[in-house]
Amino acid sequence: AQSVTQLDSHVSVSEGTPVLLRCNYSSSYSPSLFWYVQHPNKGLQLLLKYTSAATLVKGINGFEAEFKKSETSFHLTKPSAHMSDAAEYFCVVSRDNQGGKLIFGQGTELSVKP
Amino acid sequence: EAQVTQNPRYLITVTGKKLTVTCSQNMNHEYMSWYRQDPGLGLRQIYYSMNVEVTDKGDVPEGYKVSRKEKRNFPLILESPSPNQTSLYFCASRSTGTSGFSSYEQYFGPGTRLTVT
Repeated sequence: AQSVTQLDSHVSVSEGTPVLLRCNYSSSYSPSLFWYVQHPNKGLQLLLKYTSAATLVKGINGFEAEFKKSETSFHLTKPSAHMSDAAEYFCVVSRDNQGGKLIFGQGTELSVKP
Repeated sequence: EAQVTQNPRYLITVTGKKLTVTCSQNMNHEYMSWYRQDPGLGLRQIYYSMNVEVTDKGDVPEGYKVSRKEKRNFPLILESPSPNQTSLYFCASRSTGTSGFSSYEQYFGPGTRLTVT
């Protein structure tokens, strides 16, 4: 069975410092992996996705993630945090033979201090 | 503008009073899905539909019903709501293809915050 584990429920950084949000996945097949962001009282927005084309994936707002099959990880990074990055982030896995169901991690809340 | 809409956005109701949350998409997507979001649990799928008149259970279907009579609409029905259904609900849609559709982006509605007392 597929699963996703986000290793930190809460991450706090200072503005201008790097961001690292960690995600490990479990899948018997080649998965599609996503990062979604949810700002307070808003819906979910796709940040980036991995679909086996390239292991380093660039997304919106300066975020990127690297797929590491040997470590079953898909960590999200950004070189320099901005106040507007404060939100909840979800690592998500999907596969075809479950109708493309999205399996969400528990979420990581990112706080950015001035 | 391509979007998924949900109504109502906020709803407070009492135990046992039937309610429907509507979901509509204007992207001609075949696949639609409902999720509930609870603190510390992420989002969990309730039901999904691969196309008109084709629906199937997700991970947490108990206490919910859905229907897909039209391609654009996918209402979520709570026949007899209970307090444990207090949650934030999201509708989502995406296109499907012959294969590889798990890589397609799902578009989410703005959410419906439901409180059952």
